[in-house]
Amino acid sequence: KQEVTQIPAALSVPEGENLVLNCSFTDSAIYNLQWFRQDPGKGLTSLLLIQSSQREQTSGRLNASLDKSSGRSTLYIAASQPGDSATYLCAVNLWGANNLFFGTGTRLTVIP
Amino acid sequence: DGGITQSPKYLFRKEGQNVTLSCEQNLNHDAMYWYRQDPGQGLRLIYYSQIVNDFQKGDIAEGYSVSREKKESFPLTVTSAQKNPTAFYLCASSPRGGSTDTQYFGPGTRLTVL
Repeated sequence: KQEVTQIPAALSVPEGENLVLNCSFTDSAIYNLQWFRQDPGKGLTSLLLIQSSQREQTSGRLNASLDKSSGRSTLYIAASQPGDSATYLCAVNLWGANNLFFGTGTRLTVIP
Repeated sequence: DGGITQSPKYLFRKEGQNVTLSCEQNLNHDAMYWYRQDPGQGLRLIYYSQIVNDFQKGDIAEGYSVSREKKESFPLTVTSAQKNPTAFYLCASSPRGGSTDTQYFGPGTRLTVL
């Protein structure tokens, strides 16, 4: 069964810092991997989706990378802002599966 | 506005009662999903439906039931058989279902059992 792990569980950084969030997964037969943002008490917003054939995706200050063979993905946030404070979740889609497998999330706090 | 709506936002239930959570989408998506989120855990799949009148159990379906009579609607009933129903419930939809799709999430319903 696919296990998805995110480390650290929580992270606090001062405003302006660049930071990296980590996601690892046990089954490399993934179709794609998504990074989501969740604000407290809210639903999920999709940030980036990387297909298994891709190495990275970029959107604004966000860059997600994927190393399928080692079962790892990273989400890089450049020049962090207080508005980036949220929980970040990664989720993988397996070939032939009908649901996403989620990590437990990293709760990010950006201190002004 | 296109999107997924869930109601109510907060729901309180007494032990032993059944309760139904609403999920509606106007995105014309075929597939819909229910997830449960507990503190410190990732989202876990309860049920999913790829087409009208068809649905499949997810990883934690015990104590829950669903129906899919209309494409736009996928209500979830939390029955009295669910031993620990207090959680945050998220509904999602995707255009076709399966590995290739992106899922779009609703705002969630927080259920508390008193």
